[in-house]
Amino acid sequence: DAGVIQSPRHEVTEMGQEVTLRCKPISGHDYLFWYRQTMMRGLELLIYFNNNVPIDDSGMPEDRFSAKMPNASFSTLKIQPSEPRDSAVYFCASSLTPHSGLNEQFFGPGTRLTVL
Amino acid sequence: KNEVEQSPQNLTAQEGEFITINCSYSVGISALHWLQQHPGGGIVSLFMLSSGKKKHGRLIATINIQEKHSSLHITASHPRDSAVYICAVSDFGNEKLTFGTGTRLTIIP
Repeated sequence: DAGVIQSPRHEVTEMGQEVTLRCKPISGHDYLFWYRQTMMRGLELLIYFNNNVPIDDSGMPEDRFSAKMPNASFSTLKIQPSEPRDSAVYFCASSLTPHSGLNEQFFGPGTRLTVL
Repeated sequence: KNEVEQSPQNLTAQEGEFITINCSYSVGISALHWLQQHPGGGIVSLFMLSSGKKKHGRLIATINIQEKHSSLHITASHPRDSAVYICAVSDFGNEKLTFGTGTRLTIIP
């Protein structure tokens, strides 16, 4: 398996522009997570899906952020309009349904977003 | 909300030394994860445990549920072990992870 695939790997944009990050989870995984990593706050969960349904979006910072999972093999995280404080590395991860309360998450390589 | 603390924040050691990284959390959990992030940025899951001890090669992870504490040990450390090690916990009935701030480990040849 190719693992979790994210695109683009790097994105540089200007403030006010729309940004779309993409993720393809590992085939057969039914959980998908979006994380953000910054120097100041470390890793934070933004939202996660189970069987394409958003379960917890309490980490989404504000209405400028939205995430969708139209099918089991694709998810997007959109920021509109983008702001310089959104600059971070965004990770996507996927996992199987937990067994005995345990579920290993597999992380994608991340998208480094810079908003000028 | 669970509070996750790691210590030390930074650790530099000589090749061959025994390494210990600690993680404590404030509220009971369903599982604790140890992750490794290399300088290139990729994140890899090392261990996931809810009790006792797990071993993989030179890495050992332990957890004490009563004390809400976990340790990650590296035996015979090597420069390729240099990375940031992150502890994360998941609460009962919830798959979301809460992360510690990470421990930056540098092993000097």
